[in-house]
Amino acid sequence: GAVVSQHPSRVICKSGTSVKIECRSLDFQATTMFWYRQFPKQSLMLMATSNEGSKATYEQGVEKDKFLINHASLTLSTLTVTSAHPEDSSFYICSAREGPWSEETQYFGPGTRLLVL
Amino acid sequence: AQSVTQLGSHVSVSEGALVLLRCNYSSSVPPYLFWYVQYPNQGLQLLLKYTSAATLVKGINDFEAEFKKSETSFHLTKPSAHMSDAAEYFCAVRGRPDNFGNEKLTFGTGTRLTIIP
Repeated sequence: GAVVSQHPSRVICKSGTSVKIECRSLDFQATTMFWYRQFPKQSLMLMATSNEGSKATYEQGVEKDKFLINHASLTLSTLTVTSAHPEDSSFYICSAREGPWSEETQYFGPGTRLLVL
Repeated sequence: AQSVTQLGSHVSVSEGALVLLRCNYSSSVPPYLFWYVQYPNQGLQLLLKYTSAATLVKGINDFEAEFKKSETSFHLTKPSAHMSDAAEYFCAVRGRPDNFGNEKLTFGTGTRLTIIP
């Protein structure tokens, strides 16, 4: 099956710094990537949807200036948490889809655990 | 709008016993429904999906789910639980497409399955 990787798997940073998380589709070209956030023992909350070559579409309540998403190629999307604060600590998961929804499944990455001190 | 309700945040079954995880959905469009499994500190893995074909859907690891429109349900079952089935399970429903044609997933709050030896 299709494989999606994320890097890093875990990151600890100081408050006020920025952190970049990469999401890669390893064996397919992802026209669309999704970024989710998951709090402990809770469900996944969609943050934004990014289409290759276009600006990301953010969900209501998600600050686009704080969570910068770049989908510059068909195999890579990045999420940058700018000026991170302890409340940004969470598990961030990306998913990628190759083509039209009716034919394709979202494949999820293994997640990145962010801890802001 | 669409939503998913998973009854029971925690379910415990004995090894070898039947597994039943409940999911009810609400959707303004004909639903596509999914079950995902998440192991600790990992991303989501697709177990199975319903896309308007057969109402009884078989997935990996002997899991299956039945779509019942009259009950708006998509419960997940497995005849005989194995210790390796211990994980978090999420039901999800596809939503309406946005301006880019992206159809987002809405997840339930998850059910933690514990297997008793």
